[in-house]
Amino acid sequence: GAGVSQSPSNKVTEKGKDVELRCDPISGHTALYWYRQRLGQGLEFLIYFQGNSAPDKSGLPSDRFSAERTGESVSTLTIQRTQQEDSAVYLCASSSTTSGDTEQFFGPGTRLTVL
Amino acid sequence: AQSVTQPDIHITVSEGASLELRCNYSYGATPYLFWYVQSPGQGLQLLLKYFSGDTLVQGIKGFEAEFKRSQSSFNLRKPSVHWSDAAEYFCAVGARAGNNRKLIWGLGTSLAVNP
Repeated sequence: GAGVSQSPSNKVTEKGKDVELRCDPISGHTALYWYRQRLGQGLEFLIYFQGNSAPDKSGLPSDRFSAERTGESVSTLTIQRTQQEDSAVYLCASSSTTSGDTEQFFGPGTRLTVL
Repeated sequence: AQSVTQPDIHITVSEGASLELRCNYSYGATPYLFWYVQSPGQGLQLLLKYFSGDTLVQGIKGFEAEFKRSQSSFNLRKPSVHWSDAAEYFCAVGARAGNNRKLIWGLGTSLAVNP
């Protein structure tokens, strides 16, 4: 595709339910990132898939959060037993290399609301 | 520890006035440096980046930034602000070497523009 896409754009769920968020990176992009952005706040790093190397999961806030990526394609972020504090916009970004000089291209985000 | 500081959480300027947004970083070596903008209802977009060479870099929308090694700063400037510049601005740094090249992000500066 032309850019990074994310689905769904909006998700409302009840506390305790599991949710799955999807990210389609730009074709051929090696690196993929997930971020969380709470209302009025900055970007909170969650996880980083860096090509064939092991992903950097250091930003995942709890074991309720997990993410997968198959090869250089789609990634899914799963939040189990959602809590109200999980409400935020979840942003995905991809870049063409894992080098630190490469621009990250962001998707539009998924707005998650936990009731 | 690596960190990025944007000292100003919120700035208000009048349309036509000059603008400077501050960014300071703490890093083991000179990193790659980025400024991103997040406009209301839009995704994050790269404004400009510094890799090497001329320490004054030009970006899109009339923005520029100057890298000052002695001050560990990468401040963003614009000589004359337009109402459409109202947005959230994020500074980020990336590693030049090592196994993990994820970006380190500042918390952002919210810019409001008065007519």
